[in-house]
Order: sequence, then structure tokens, then C-alpha cells
Amino acid sequence: AQSVTQLGSHVSVSEGALVLLRCNYSSSVPPYLFWYVQYPNQGLQLLLKYTSAATLVKGINGFEAEFKKSETSFHLTKPSAHMSDAAEYFCAVSASSGGSYIPTFGRGTSLIVHP
Amino acid sequence: KAGVTQTPRYLIKTRGQQVTLSCSPISGHRSVSWYQQTPGQGLQFLFEYFSETQRNKGNFPGRFSGRQFSNSRSEMNVSTLELGDSALYLCASSKGQNSLDTQYFGPGTRLTVL
Repeated sequence: AQSVTQLGSHVSVSEGALVLLRCNYSSSVPPYLFWYVQYPNQGLQLLLKYTSAATLVKGINGFEAEFKKSETSFHLTKPSAHMSDAAEYFCAVSASSGGSYIPTFGRGTSLIVHP
Repeated sequence: KAGVTQTPRYLIKTRGQQVTLSCSPISGHRSVSWYQQTPGQGLQFLFEYFSETQRNKGNFPGRFSGRQFSNSRSEMNVSTLELGDSALYLCASSKGQNSLDTQYFGPGTRLTVL
């Protein structure tokens, strides 16, 4: 079984400040982890994914995430927030179950960026 | 390159009716997945098709079904609609056989059941 917990349904930052969105996962087998962004009235867009290579993963738009097995975490960060980063962010985990990979998503974190 | 397209974008139905949603993947993509997004349950995986075969299925009742055609286009059907089926239905396509390939999402079909 696998699950994802995103701490904080809303995160508010000032433009130029550090963005930190938290994600903790639970998986009985080595997981693959993803961060997606969703803008209003749009589908999801992949920001980055961890597939057991480097633990620090760099994604698009200046985002990165670090896989920490000991903490079962995969937090998303960006050094300097931009107004255009305001959106809903989803963390997802996918682990093999009988050879199948079915993703499980967190409940999402809404990022609010103040000018 | 055109993205994933979903039709219709908005749909209103009444309880007990059935509905068919359509998804056209990115050209060359052979895998299509469907997801349901609701405020209450969040994002949930429905099913995945690859080369006209259902490869994975989420935990949804049999009222939810899908299929994929030889040109990779996919449809999902919901029969005997319930109020709780009101949701944004998202389709995503990816290139190939690996379920971990990057998925590209369409804008979704917003279904309202009255």
C-alpha cells in the first residue's frame, strides 16, 4: 500500500521568498515520486520526478526536490517565488504492485504568492 | 505539436443517465490514463490503456469503464450517473510501455450531475 501526505492545504509566501511545499510518503517498496502543478482550469503539468537516480531532482521553472528515504519525504523547493508560481501543487507516489504502477496523489497544496 | 485534447470540456447530466467522455492523446503516444478529481476525494486514478488493452485499473465501481481505439484515442463511460460522479475528469497520455513515462495531461472535462 502507498499513500501521500501533503502538509498544509495552503502555503502563502511573498514574491522573492523561498517556497517550501512538504510531501511525505508511505510505501512498502521503493517508490517513484512526482510533483505536479495545476493552474486554474487546466490539467496537471509534471514539474519533476524521482526514479531512484540522484536524490536531488531538478525540475522545470526553477523547482527542485530532494528524496530523503530516512524521513520518507520529498519536499519541493524554489529559492525565489514568482507571482506566476501561484497554483495548486500535487505530490504523487507510484510503486510497483505486481508489476503495475498506479499513482496515488496527495490532496494538494495551494501556493499563494503575495506581491 | 498539439497537446492532449478532451471533449467535451463541460457537461451537465441528470442522475441515472450515462455519459461518454473522449480523449485524444498527443500524436505518437500510445498510453492513455484517466483520473477523477473532486474536492472531497482529490485526484484518483481510474484506469490506464496501452495499445487498446487496459493495463491498470483503480478502485472504482463497474459503472466506470473505458476503451482505447487503434489510433490511441480513448473514451470513458459512466453509466447510471450519481450525484457523487460530479467531478473534473482528466486524461493523460504518455509515449509507451513504461507506466512511469512522463504523462501529459489534458485540460479535463467538467461533469456536473444534477
